[in-house]
Amino acid sequence: NAGVTQTPKFQVLKTGQSMTLQCAQDMNHEYMSWYRQDPGMGLRLIHYSVGAGITDQGEVPNGYNVSRSTTEDFPLRLLSAAPSQTSVYFCASKTSGSGMETQYFGPGTRLLVL
Amino acid sequence: AQSVTQLDSQVPVFEEAPVELRCNYSSSVSVYLFWYVQYPNQGLQLLLKYLSGSTLVKGINGFEAEFNKSQTSFHLRKPSVHISDTAEYFCAVIRPANTGNQFYFGTGTSLTVIP
Repeated sequence: NAGVTQTPKFQVLKTGQSMTLQCAQDMNHEYMSWYRQDPGMGLRLIHYSVGAGITDQGEVPNGYNVSRSTTEDFPLRLLSAAPSQTSVYFCASKTSGSGMETQYFGPGTRLLVL
Repeated sequence: AQSVTQLDSQVPVFEEAPVELRCNYSSSVSVYLFWYVQYPNQGLQLLLKYLSGSTLVKGINGFEAEFNKSQTSFHLRKPSVHISDTAEYFCAVIRPANTGNQFYFGTGTSLTVIP
């Protein structure tokens, strides 16, 4: 198993550009989520999905869209990039259920918005 | 709502010395508790988790944590640290009854082991 994979690893954008961060998992996990990590703020949940066709907002959803057309993929779209979106983005997945399950993280995408 | 507080943003410690990284949570209902480690330029890996049962939980790499319900704490400890333990450590909680089982992370503690 490759686990959770994310592409690209690094990205530089100009303000106003749009892009999609890709996330895929091969563990047949129902639950997938996106976090952003900023210094001194830990990880904050952007969006999550409990299964194909179902998505919901997390703590900091503004400026981001997600979709879940398949179990494996959970892309994160930046509609119009802003410097405040400069961050490290992590995708994670786990089986749905009681909450006991271990969440597996991808290696991250480092995004710089100029 | 629940929150997680990691009281120390940076903890320097000498090699082979013991270390404790503190974590407190606030929740009026039962929670599951986790510690994750992030090595430089990598994603997060699970160190250990408390779900129920024994309050002392042992994890990977010689780490352990103790759940204290009365003090709402879940401090992480290691009796003797190595250089390779230098990393960022995150405490996280999840409320089992919460729709979506959302994780809430603390702000992280940067552990630096000094040779």
